[in-house]
Amino acid sequence: KAGVTQTPRYLIKTRGQQVTLSCSPISGHRSVSWYQQTPGQGLQFLFEYFSETQRNKGNFPGRFSGRQFSNSRSEMNVSTLELGDSALYLCASSLETTHTDTQYFGPGTRLTVL
Amino acid sequence: AQKVTQAQTEISVVEKEDVTLDCVYETRDTTYYLFWYKQPPSGELVFLIRRNSFDEQNEISGRYSWNFQKSTSSFNFTITASQVVDSAVYFCALSEARGSQGNLIFGKGTKLSVKP
Repeated sequence: KAGVTQTPRYLIKTRGQQVTLSCSPISGHRSVSWYQQTPGQGLQFLFEYFSETQRNKGNFPGRFSGRQFSNSRSEMNVSTLELGDSALYLCASSLETTHTDTQYFGPGTRLTVL
Repeated sequence: AQKVTQAQTEISVVEKEDVTLDCVYETRDTTYYLFWYKQPPSGELVFLIRRNSFDEQNEISGRYSWNFQKSTSSFNFTITASQVVDSAVYFCALSEARGSQGNLIFGKGTKLSVKP
């Protein structure tokens, strides 16, 4: 069974631009969560989606948004990029949303903002 | 408020040594879940274990073992006879039952270097 895939793996953007990252969950998984990982702040929760609905959102500005499609694939968008948005963005999928469901992570998209 | 503390930022050991990674958590919930993930240089977080707050049994899986103590709010991870392949960053995480399953609260991680 294929794992969580994220595209692209690497991205370089300049300040003020916007970016869209994609996440394809493990087949059959309906829940997708996104995390931002930086050296200073560590791993921080961005949002969680289940059945195309955002269930939970972390403490990030409105420039960060996401969505989930009917096939459970998810995208996250960051508008008006800032230098501080440079990070590894990780996506995780799980079967459902119960706490007994393990989250499986993708390899991440490394975003560099110049 | 919920919080996970991994006080050890970096640990370096020589192969075959045993090593324990510490994790202390804070939560007001009586029902919660604790996790350990491994992040090798490739970047992907690999799930190692999940433990719920009602199960204080220690667990052993091969060279890995976990010690969960509610009295001290700790969930420590021990690698016995460490190997070079164990070199990675290890994260402890907390999920509260009243929160969504997708919202894991991570510690800052402990970077383990195992030298041959």
